[in-house]
Amino acid sequence: DAKTTQPPSMDCAEGRAANLPCNHSTISGNEYVYWYRQIHSQGPQYIIHGLKNNETNEMASLIITEDRKSSTLILPHATLRDTAVYYCIVSPWGSNYQLIWGAGTKLIIKP
Amino acid sequence: GAVVSQHPSWVICKSGTSVKIECRSLDFQATTMFWYRQFPKQSLMLMATSNEGSKATYEQGVEKDKFLINHASLTLSTLTVTSAHPEDSSFYICSAGREETQYFGPGTRLLVL
Repeated sequence: DAKTTQPPSMDCAEGRAANLPCNHSTISGNEYVYWYRQIHSQGPQYIIHGLKNNETNEMASLIITEDRKSSTLILPHATLRDTAVYYCIVSPWGSNYQLIWGAGTKLIIKP
Repeated sequence: GAVVSQHPSWVICKSGTSVKIECRSLDFQATTMFWYRQFPKQSLMLMATSNEGSKATYEQGVEKDKFLINHASLTLSTLTVTSAHPEDSSFYICSAGREETQYFGPGTRLLVL
């Protein structure tokens, strides 16, 4: 079973920041928080990951609480192309560990 | 960088035939690749873990004789659905690991008539 809890759906206005929450209260010390998204009928796309520090890249920012029990993915200026299902996954460091997928959050960007 | 391709992108076949799906890491080598299946309106379900040069590890409930996996090189893994039936119709997705992240292929949509 997935170790994360996400709201099933969210709306956001185009051009505004989209803030997607994720709870992972049972996260272990060696587990990272990964975010992926899946646009309809496509393979998942990697967005960002982090351990305990906040992270930022060209796509998004990841804010992890100090106790690491929750995190927030921030898309700073959402566009219509950001409409997708966003998955928050916790997994040990390394690319050889299987990812366990929950239901994710369906983010709909509205004009 | 970190591009993963799949071929074919979609396939339609008759019941009882076999279908091979290729997964390639185009700009990096991957000792481990993963195969997932996704049914409509559901999340990804891991089918098997494919390790280069060794036998794949299958998840519980996935028939290894029906879903044959071969990982012959560091850039190629194949999934063969043998004697496909309509219930095997699904979206099959592979991923390949690079450094600390997995990157996913675009998926293969299989329709068995």
